[in-house]
Amino acid sequence: AQSVAQPEDQVNVAEGNPLTVKCTYSVSGNPYLFWYVQYPNRGLQFLLKYITGDNLVKGSYGFEAEFNKSQTSFHLKKPSALVSDSALYFCAVRALRDTNAGKSTFGDGTTLTVKP
Amino acid sequence: GAVVSQHPSRVICKSGTSVKIECRSLDFQATTMFWYRQFPKQSLMLMATSNEGSKATYEQGVEKDKFLINHASLTLSTLTVTSAHPEDSSFYICSAPQGGAEAFFGQGTRLTVV
Repeated sequence: AQSVAQPEDQVNVAEGNPLTVKCTYSVSGNPYLFWYVQYPNRGLQFLLKYITGDNLVKGSYGFEAEFNKSQTSFHLKKPSALVSDSALYFCAVRALRDTNAGKSTFGDGTTLTVKP
Repeated sequence: GAVVSQHPSRVICKSGTSVKIECRSLDFQATTMFWYRQFPKQSLMLMATSNEGSKATYEQGVEKDKFLINHASLTLSTLTVTSAHPEDSSFYICSAPQGGAEAFFGQGTRLTVV
C-alpha cells in the first residue's frame, strides 16, 4: 500500500524567509509525486509534480520541490515566503505505473502561516 | 490550464432532502472524474470514481445508494446526496485528470445539512 506522511501539521515562517514543507512517501516502484495548495473553502490547486528527470522540480508561484529517492522525500520549498502563501498544502503520491489519477494518496496536509 | 468547475460552492439543505452537486470540465473531455470528501483539517478521502457512460466505482465503505453518481456526458459528472443527514455535512470536491499525471480539482462544495 502507498502512503504519504506530512510530519508537521503547522509551519510558521516570517515573510521573506525561506520555507520548507516536508513530505515523505512510501510506494511500490517509482513514484509520481505532487504538491497541491488549498485556500479556505476552495478546491485543491496544482503546484508541481515529479515524474522523472531532474530531482529539483520548479512549479507555480516560485515553489520548488526536491525529490530524494534514498530518503523517500519530496519536500516543498520556497526561497522567500509571502503572506499570500499562507494556506493548506497537500503532498500526494501514486505509483508511476498507475495511470489512474484517482489512485493518488494524499497526506494529511500542512498549514503554512507566513507572518508579516 | 485545464479548468474544472464545481457548483454550487455552498448549499444548506434540510435533513431528509437530496442535494445535487455538479462537476464540469470546461475545456477538456473527462471520461473519468473523482469525488472526494474532506473533513475539517483533514485530508481528502476518495469516495468514488465516476465513469462516463457506465456505473461509478465506489470506494469501500461508501454507500452507493446514499451518494448517487451520474456521468452522463464527457464534461459533466453529478453527485447526489440522497436523504441527507447532518452527518453528511462536509466539503465535497471533484477532480478530473487531463492528459498529464495530475488531476485538476473543482472549487469544492460546502454542504451543510440542518
